Amino acid sequence: AQSVAQPEDQVNVAEGNPLTVKCTYSVSGNPYLFWYVQYPNRGLQFLLKYITGDNLVKGSYGFEAEFNKSQTSFHLKKPSALVSDSALYFCAVRDEDDKIIFGKGTRLHILP
Amino acid sequence: DAGVIQSPRHEVTEMGQEVTLRCKPISGHDYLFWYRQTMMRGLELLIYFNNNVPIDDSGMPEDRFSAKMPNASFSTLKIQPSEPRDSAVYFCASSLGRGYGEQYFGPGTRLTVT
Repeated sequence: AQSVAQPEDQVNVAEGNPLTVKCTYSVSGNPYLFWYVQYPNRGLQFLLKYITGDNLVKGSYGFEAEFNKSQTSFHLKKPSALVSDSALYFCAVRDEDDKIIFGKGTRLHILP
Repeated sequence: DAGVIQSPRHEVTEMGQEVTLRCKPISGHDYLFWYRQTMMRGLELLIYFNNNVPIDDSGMPEDRFSAKMPNASFSTLKIQPSEPRDSAVYFCASSLGRGYGEQYFGPGTRLTVT
């Protein structure tokens, strides 16, 4: 079965520093991967997706993600963190039934 | 577009009562999803519809839960009878297409069953 793993429950980063939120995946066939963000008391918002093509995918709010087939990873990155980036981030994968399977989420804290 | 609309935003009810959650998807979207989010279990897909037809309800926890989509602009998730363990945030999401398209989530309904 397709799955994603987010190994960190929480990540703390100082404002202005680069940030990385980790995600690894397990799929059969070509992976379709997604990142979503959830701000407090809000629904999830789509950030970016990898379907095919360039390994570096650019998304909303200055975020990008790097697809690495050999390491089966799809880490979310941003060059310079903002306090407003503090939120819950979900990695997701399309499974064999075309459903989107979400990871458990990583809480990102940006420290001023 | 107003996005996905859910009502009510908050619901507090007593155990044994019937609860109905409502969702209006984005106009033109052909897929609708119901999710449940709890601290313990994370985000769970309960059921999804394509063109108003239920496709996969394998995530529905038990027969107390039911969902309908009578037309392209309205869906309900009903819990009867409700139990304290049903307390969670319930999200509705819609998309144009299934696995390839991004999903648009509503603000959620926070359900508390006492």
